[in-house]
Amino acid sequence: ELKVEQNPLFLSMQEGKNYTIYCNYSTTSDRLYWYRQDPGKSLESLFVLLSNGAVKQEGRLMASLDTKARLSTLHITAAVHDLSATYFCAVANTGTASKLTFGTGTRLQVTL
Amino acid sequence: NAGVTQTPKFRILKIGQSMTLQCTQDMNHNYMYWYRQDPGMGLKLIYYSVGAGITDKGEVPNGYNVSRSTTEDFPLRLELAAPSQTSVYFCASSQDGPTYGYTFGSGTRLTVV
Repeated sequence: ELKVEQNPLFLSMQEGKNYTIYCNYSTTSDRLYWYRQDPGKSLESLFVLLSNGAVKQEGRLMASLDTKARLSTLHITAAVHDLSATYFCAVANTGTASKLTFGTGTRLQVTL
Repeated sequence: NAGVTQTPKFRILKIGQSMTLQCTQDMNHNYMYWYRQDPGMGLKLIYYSVGAGITDKGEVPNGYNVSRSTTEDFPLRLELAAPSQTSVYFCASSQDGPTYGYTFGSGTRLTVV
């Protein structure tokens, strides 16, 4: 059974600082996704990582995937308040139907 | 382009009542999913479908039923609602492959009292 763990679960950081969110998963997969969720809202797709060594960047966020270590990271550079949200990683199960298993999420709070 | 549409957005049910959560997508996606999200938690898969007429159980199917008579619609039925079903329910769809991940609906917030 695929298990996905994120850490930290909660992160409070100051504007301008850098930090990394980690996503570990338990069984082989080469497809990993990052989503953002604002309070009371739906999930918005951020990154799709489809191979070992994949790196994607959008603004102050950069995601990477190491399939051998079963690890993905979401790096935040020079955080701003607008990045405050909950971030989920999700890993595709092997087999059909593209079923995703989600991590528990990292709630990010960026303070002035 | 509406994407994935869920109705209702909010609902309060009494214990033992039943209801259907509606989900419609207009992207011609074959794959559709129902997840629930409990407060402060990640999403757990309830049921999924790989095409019209084909459904299968996910991680937490007890207390729910689904049907998929068309490509567009994937309703979720709650029979005999229980307080443990208080949650936010998300419907999602995807293309036949991993490149795009899921498109999510806006969610239905359900409270069972």
